[in-house]
Amino acid sequence: TQLLEQSPQFLSIQEGENLTVYCNSSSVFSSLQWYRQEPGEGPVLLVTVVTGGEVKKLKRLTFQFGDARKDSSLHITAAQPGDTGLYLCAGRANFGNEKLTFGTGTRLTIIP
Amino acid sequence: KAGVTQTPRYLIKTRGQQVTLSCSPISGHRSVSWYQQTPGQGLQFLFEYFSETQRNKGNFPGRFSGRQFSNSRSEMNVSTLELGDSALYLCASSPFDSGNTIYFGEGSWLTVV
Repeated sequence: TQLLEQSPQFLSIQEGENLTVYCNSSSVFSSLQWYRQEPGEGPVLLVTVVTGGEVKKLKRLTFQFGDARKDSSLHITAAQPGDTGLYLCAGRANFGNEKLTFGTGTRLTIIP
Repeated sequence: KAGVTQTPRYLIKTRGQQVTLSCSPISGHRSVSWYQQTPGQGLQFLFEYFSETQRNKGNFPGRFSGRQFSNSRSEMNVSTLELGDSALYLCASSPFDSGNTIYFGEGSWLTVV
């Protein structure tokens, strides 16, 4: 059973469009992280959200942590080809000494 | 500050052989974790170490093992390689025990033929 489900799994849109990807779970997380991974490279940390309802902005990227700390979303405004990559959410459930679990991933392609 | 360094970057092994992958964490980081990434299964947790102690272990067979040294460097070993072990093996480090924010290396690409 996958602890963190991401949707959509694949997304291909035109440059300049907006998009949202989702990370959902039935478990509560102390925090959630978002990573972006480009081909042949390791994932790179984008943001950590800690407080339920928290919203963080990173240029054209907006991250939100659900009020119940069970889900998160990533919204990209005016997507650019440089946004292309695999987006992964990750977190440790139940505030305990659980393993850090990664989501199923969203593979985003921005078409010039 | 240097990032997480993994060696080797690429390697090809034959079925039945064993392989050892190395990871040097970011200076000052005492936690190291390992992940296997494949197109079909995504990022799967292998194990996590803090101060030479294994803190967590994923659901992998006993052929997969790891260890951490006193200088926080870590190695993982896979014995009796199978074709299905072909994957990108990623190491990540964190300054904290069971830290939520981890920093990845570029990975070691293993191909088993």
